[in-house]
Amino acid sequence: EIVLTQSPATLSLSPGERATLSCRASQSVSNYLAWYQQKPGQAPRLLIYDASNRATGIPARFSASGSGTDFTLTISSLEPEDFAVYYCQQRSNWPSFGGGTKVDIK
Amino acid sequence: QVQLVQSGADVKKPGASVKVSCRASGYPFTAYYIHWVRQAPGQRLEWMGRINPNSGGTSYAQKFQGRVTMTTDTSISTAYMDLSRLRSDDTAVYYCARDWREIPNTEDLFDYWGQGTLVTVSS
Repeated sequence: EIVLTQSPATLSLSPGERATLSCRASQSVSNYLAWYQQKPGQAPRLLIYDASNRATGIPARFSASGSGTDFTLTISSLEPEDFAVYYCQQRSNWPSFGGGTKVDIK
Repeated sequence: QVQLVQSGADVKKPGASVKVSCRASGYPFTAYYIHWVRQAPGQRLEWMGRINPNSGGTSYAQKFQGRVTMTTDTSISTAYMDLSRLRSDDTAVYYCARDWREIPNTEDLFDYWGQGTLVTVSS
């Protein structure tokens, strides 16, 4: 089983600031890494697929990079609606998710 | 528009079974895999398995082998997830989600999700 470790667990930032989230895999997942956003009481929403591609309708302030075992999601300038929990997910093997990073308001 | 609508919350006793439904609309139901993902309180999302509504073929996560059964009823565009021998640590929100690639491919990426069904296991 591929284990995904996300850091930090919580990121406290103000609107307009830059957010940088990390996801590390226990073994290489090539570029088969996705990012999801989840708000309280809602289902996750697909943001990024294949490490760096934005899903349909996702704003350009969301970008991502990485390959192999180390991945990063960047939100260039936080909007009020961006405060949420972010999960990474690999599909190189049976799907698995990271533990999440909560981005909250400072 | 694509929608996945799940059945309502349920409370079960340990050892019982639960069946969660997921009704799809807005797209050809047999054209995309349906996955089931759960989220226990304060825990990470956990993939349980997938079903091909066209063939009925399934793949289950090893953790749930022998306890989970996924089925579909194509006449009503509905997928079901049956989990047996429930334990307290099965208390979770259960989601169905659509694979974003058309059958015969599956990419284990989830573009549409149901609203979630809370299953509480308690004596």
